[in-house]
Amino acid sequence: DIQMTQSPSSLSASVGDRVTITCRASQAIDNYLAWYQQKPGKVPKLLVNAVSALQSGVPSRFSGSGSGTDFTLTISSLQPEDVATYYCQKYNSAPYTFGQGTKLEIK
Amino acid sequence: EVQLVQSGAEVKKPGESLKISCKGSGYSFTTYWLGWVRQMPGQGLEWMGMIYPDDSDTRYSPSFQGQVTFSADKSTSTAYLQWNSLKASDTAIYYCARQPNVLDYWGQGTLVTVSS
Repeated sequence: DIQMTQSPSSLSASVGDRVTITCRASQAIDNYLAWYQQKPGKVPKLLVNAVSALQSGVPSRFSGSGSGTDFTLTISSLQPEDVATYYCQKYNSAPYTFGQGTKLEIK
Repeated sequence: EVQLVQSGAEVKKPGESLKISCKGSGYSFTTYWLGWVRQMPGQGLEWMGMIYPDDSDTRYSPSFQGQVTFSADKSTSTAYLQWNSLKASDTAIYYCARQPNVLDYWGQGTLVTVSS
């Protein structure tokens, strides 16, 4: 099965900083890569699918990029409400594995 | 409006059986895959598998194959996640989510606590 590895596992940044989270697949997954945001104590929320397609209502400071095995989620200007854990997920074929998560905090 | 409403929190003893539910509304329940996701305390998201309610076709993650059972009732637009013999390590929040490919709409989660 394809494994999904995120880095870093945790990240502390200042408001206004540009933040990048990386997700690496153990094999190529074409563009079948999604990102989810889970705020503390809340239900996960789909942010991005197909590598770079933002869901409706997601602020434009979020963007996704990558191809093949290497993908990134970028927040162009970190806001306090972005404190959350972020997960990537592959969905080219079952099992639809998640990455282990990246916990983002404000410095 | 798409909604997935899950059954309430459960407290069970090891060895007991359990079936939790996820009721869909606001969309064609039978024509979208429905996924299940586990989140153990303080841990990340784990994709357990999915069911296609129209014909009850199921796909299980290898980690969960044989440990749980998915089922669905088309007449009530409800999906189920079942355990025959719970273990303490099954303590977690379980989410259902509509899964056309990605998990686009999520239930509120069901907390299952297994403790003697």
